[in-house]
Amino acid sequence: GEEVAQTPKHLVRGEGQKAKLYCAPIKGHSYVFWYQQVLKNEFKFLISFQNENVFDETGMPKERFSAKCLPNSPCSLEIQATKLEDSAVYFCASTRGGITTEAFFGQGTRLTVV
Amino acid sequence: DQQVKQNSPSLSVQEGRISILNCDYTNSMFDYFLWYKKYPAEGPTFLISISSIKDKNEDGRFTVFLNKSAKHLSLHIVPSQPGDSAVYFCAGSAGNMLTFGGGTRLMVKP
Repeated sequence: GEEVAQTPKHLVRGEGQKAKLYCAPIKGHSYVFWYQQVLKNEFKFLISFQNENVFDETGMPKERFSAKCLPNSPCSLEIQATKLEDSAVYFCASTRGGITTEAFFGQGTRLTVV
Repeated sequence: DQQVKQNSPSLSVQEGRISILNCDYTNSMFDYFLWYKKYPAEGPTFLISISSIKDKNEDGRFTVFLNKSAKHLSLHIVPSQPGDSAVYFCAGSAGNMLTFGGGTRLMVKP
């Protein structure tokens, strides 16, 4: 498609439950990035993929967060055993070839952990 | 450690005047700088970028200036329009990672 599609738009989870977010990058874009925005402030980098391979995962909290980009499927970000501080808007972005080219963002998924 | 800082959380400007949004950075490894505009409940949209080897890039009403020695960049919007009201994020790019500043909310008053 011509835009980055993120689903769902909103997600509410009780503390300790699992949350799974999806991102379909723009067709032909080989890089996918996940960012976390807490309280409308800074975007915290989580992880990036080059096609289905992890490119950079330095921002990922390893214990509960995992992500995948499999061929012919939307990319996913999964949080096991959610905590209150995971409440944020999670943005996905894709680029044709690396971040120095224009990155297109999805509309984000707002996760609320109660 | 904040590598990209936007020290003004908000800016109010009269329609038709110039808006100047500022951004400071500490990471000398950034090779590109980008400005994004964000409306509520939407993802950021790319506005303009500049390579670290340039000092100016212009696109219509938008111009970005880069001062490498001061590690400072600015976005000029002229003339400002009410539709420019949004949150503007500056970002530095290094090693295929974008590092964002905290954003500046621009309000353009008619």
